[in-house]
Amino acid sequence: QVQLVESGGGVVQPGGSLRLSCVASGFTFSGYGMHWVRQAPGKGLDWVAFIWYDGSKKYYADSVKGRFTISRDNSENTLYLQVNSLRAEDTAVYYCAKDRGSWYYSDYWGQGTLVTVSS
Amino acid sequence: QSAPTQPPSASGSPGQSVTISCTGTGSDVGGYNYVSWYQQHPGKAPKLMIYEVSKRPSGVPDRFSGSKSGNTASLTVSGLQAEDEADYYCSSYAGSNNLVFGGGTKLTVL
Repeated sequence: QVQLVESGGGVVQPGGSLRLSCVASGFTFSGYGMHWVRQAPGKGLDWVAFIWYDGSKKYYADSVKGRFTISRDNSENTLYLQVNSLRAEDTAVYYCAKDRGSWYYSDYWGQGTLVTVSS
Repeated sequence: QSAPTQPPSASGSPGQSVTISCTGTGSDVGGYNYVSWYQQHPGKAPKLMIYEVSKRPSGVPDRFSGSKSGNTASLTVSGLQAEDEADYYCSSYAGSNNLVFGGGTKLTVL
């Protein structure tokens, strides 16, 4: 069965950096695009970034453009999100999600990893 | 890019039907048939319930249906059951390689 397991979250000071990882199993990782979506505590979902199945194209929300970088290693079935210049408003649970063959929606989600930006 | 508007809450009794709206603009909900709906139980990951306005993934009960008129998409849950109590989010393509989520609706089964 499809499994997505995120890691790499933690507490970081404003201006700091983290690298989030998402290990995929149960499907052909190299055949699907992948999303990062975040959810601030008690708030709604917020789309962050998307990467094509082969890494050739990447899309970002305006709020993270220039600070976050999405990447993938298809040989390791792993998705990454490098988050730099972190702000308090980046505090959230970060989910990775698999696209459903079309990048407009996701059919499987991980359980998320919490990033807390605080001094 | 502003988020589509959803009512913060909705409710219904078991067996009843409830409809949740998602109102955007011609640049997102109204401009594309790429509206999807997600269900999220507390502390859990979201689950895809509807995609491309009205299509249901396998395994999603046919009690869940989606539609769109103009700039407003809707999710209808018929024959409400206790396990339908959750948060529901719409999502839409918003052009220029952007996706946008609605603010979410908390559905309560009375």
